[in-house]
Parts: sequence; C-alpha cells; structure tokens
Amino acid sequence: NAGVTQTPKFRILKIGQSMTLQCTQDMNHNYMYWYRQDPGMGLKLIYYSVGAGITDKGEVPNGYNVSRSTTEDFPLRLELAAPSQTSVYFCASGQGADYGYTFGSGTRLTVV
Amino acid sequence: GENVEQHPSTLSVQEGDSAVIKCTYSDSASNYFPWYKQELGKRPQLIIDIRSNVGEKKDQRIAVTLNKTAKHFSLHITETQPEDSAVYFCAASPASGYSTLTFGKGTMLLVSP
Repeated sequence: NAGVTQTPKFRILKIGQSMTLQCTQDMNHNYMYWYRQDPGMGLKLIYYSVGAGITDKGEVPNGYNVSRSTTEDFPLRLELAAPSQTSVYFCASGQGADYGYTFGSGTRLTVV
Repeated sequence: GENVEQHPSTLSVQEGDSAVIKCTYSDSASNYFPWYKQELGKRPQLIIDIRSNVGEKKDQRIAVTLNKTAKHFSLHITETQPEDSAVYFCAASPASGYSTLTFGKGTMLLVSP
C-alpha cells in the first residue's frame, strides 16, 4: 500500500497562474480532505469529500476548487494564484472523522 | 460546532523529563480524540488515540487520558528523548458520522539533550 500520494512535492507559481495539486489514495477510504499549513501554524481545512461526487467547503475554501470523480482521487485546483496561497498543502484520507486520518507527504507551494 | 483549545503552544524539557500537553473541547457529544505528531518538514502522523468509553490508553512511553466531565484530554510523554521533538496536534471528532476532525493549534515540544 502506498497510502496517500501527493504530487508534486514542490512547486513555484507566478501570481495569476493556475495549477492542480494531485492526491491519490489506495486504501479505499470514502473520506478525503485538503488542508493548508502556513509556517509555524496549524492545519486549516480547505475542502473535504465524503465520497465520489460529494464535496463540501471547509474553513478556507476561497481561491480553490475540488472534484471527486473516483474514490481514489481528490485533486485540488488553484485558480489565479496569489501570494497568500503560499503554504504547504496536505491531502488526507480516512474511514470517517472518528477513525482518524492518514496524511500525504505534502506539497510545498510558493507563489511569487 | 466543535472548538478545541490546546496548551501550551511551546514546551521545552530536558531529556528524560516528562511532558504533558492538554486539550479542551466544547462539544460534549465528541467521542474520538486522536493525537498527531509532526516532525519538521514531515507529514502529521497519528501516534495515539482514545475513544470516549475509555479513560486512559498507553503505548510504551506515551499515554492519553480523557476526562469527559471536564471535557479535556491530555498527552503524556515519559522519559523524553530528542527524537520526541516535534509539533503535536490534538483533535476531536463529534458524534459518529460527522465528517471532519477539529484540530488544536499545536504544541511545539523541544527536548534538549
């Protein structure tokens, strides 16, 4: 089992560019999540999904979009990148909040 | 919704000492309380968890205690080692079926040799 796989690991974007952060899990988890973590700070929920075709906003969804067409994949789309989106992005999956999460290794994004 | 407060924000101890991190939660229906360890530049990893029908759980040098009446739970690390240095996050899950964990803001633990 690879667990939760995120790509890319690092990326530098220019202001106004767009990109998709990829997240794939092979544990057949229904629940998937995207968090951002700013330097020295905690985890903020961007979007989450409780199954294929179902997504919902978290605490900080502005500037991001998601889709969930399969159980395995949960990509995060950044449109019109801004310096405020410089952060480390973690994808996570689980069987439900009361079973804990498995996190991916993260994507470190810098917007210049 | 659920609110989780975590204290202290930073904790410095000498190697061999014990460390205690405390979290309080607001929703009395919360029933699952995991702890995550995040080493510098790495992903958060689950290290121990406890459910509301249990008062204490141990795994080698780490233990978690839960006081449902006071709505707080704590992480205890004994005989600390430099490799315990990391950021620790507590979290709470409301009643079964709720989709997301609520995380505390984290505690940076520094263990000096």
